[in-house]
Amino acid sequence: EAQVTQNPRYLITVTGKKLTVTCSQNMNHEYMSWYRQDPGLGLRQIYYSMNVEVTDKGDVPEGYKVSRKEKRNFPLILESPSPNQTSLYFCASSFGAVHTEAFFGQGTRLTVV
Amino acid sequence: RKEVEQDPGPFNVPEGATVAFNCTYSNSASQSFFWYRQDCRKEPKLLMSVYSSGNEDGRFTAQLNRASQYISLLIRDSKLSDSATYLCVVNREADTGGFKTIFGAGTRLFVKA
Repeated sequence: EAQVTQNPRYLITVTGKKLTVTCSQNMNHEYMSWYRQDPGLGLRQIYYSMNVEVTDKGDVPEGYKVSRKEKRNFPLILESPSPNQTSLYFCASSFGAVHTEAFFGQGTRLTVV
Repeated sequence: RKEVEQDPGPFNVPEGATVAFNCTYSNSASQSFFWYRQDCRKEPKLLMSVYSSGNEDGRFTAQLNRASQYISLLIRDSKLSDSATYLCVVNREADTGGFKTIFGAGTRLFVKA
């Protein structure tokens, strides 16, 4: 089954404790993105990757890191999480960057206390 | 001002009604346009792509006006199952040469029996 898989689905952590949210897709897509969704603000792009070893900042990259060592995986790293990073996070992948459908993971609800 | 703007609603309509959503985008370099649907706390899913010539998929019609930088979605004969948040999405080239995806904050629709 074609899908984007995020883990964990839910996470409660403490300020400053490094964490990684994994994202994996099995559709051989080149373009992958991370978004955060907050009430009233919609989805905002954190980072995106056009292909392996090619990543770029979205609109809200501060406090986040990503890597794209393999085509299928695009982990999101929070080196020192803070409460303002409490949010619903979505990973997405698509065949290309434009004119193509994006497929989303089921989301990761992160709470930083 | 947000780069992609939508009326947040909510729109409360009876079953069978016709409802129209609007979206405006500010960057004239935007290249591709979509409507996504998001159910509560779930991942967004593609509803339809939007083209200048207009496109229709069953009860749904989408239209793009590049001159006015305006996108619309029309839902005819509303069903209870149409209740969701509708997201306007735009792709454009980023300053660094990649491609960014920008979401509107969404328009909430409630269809009542």
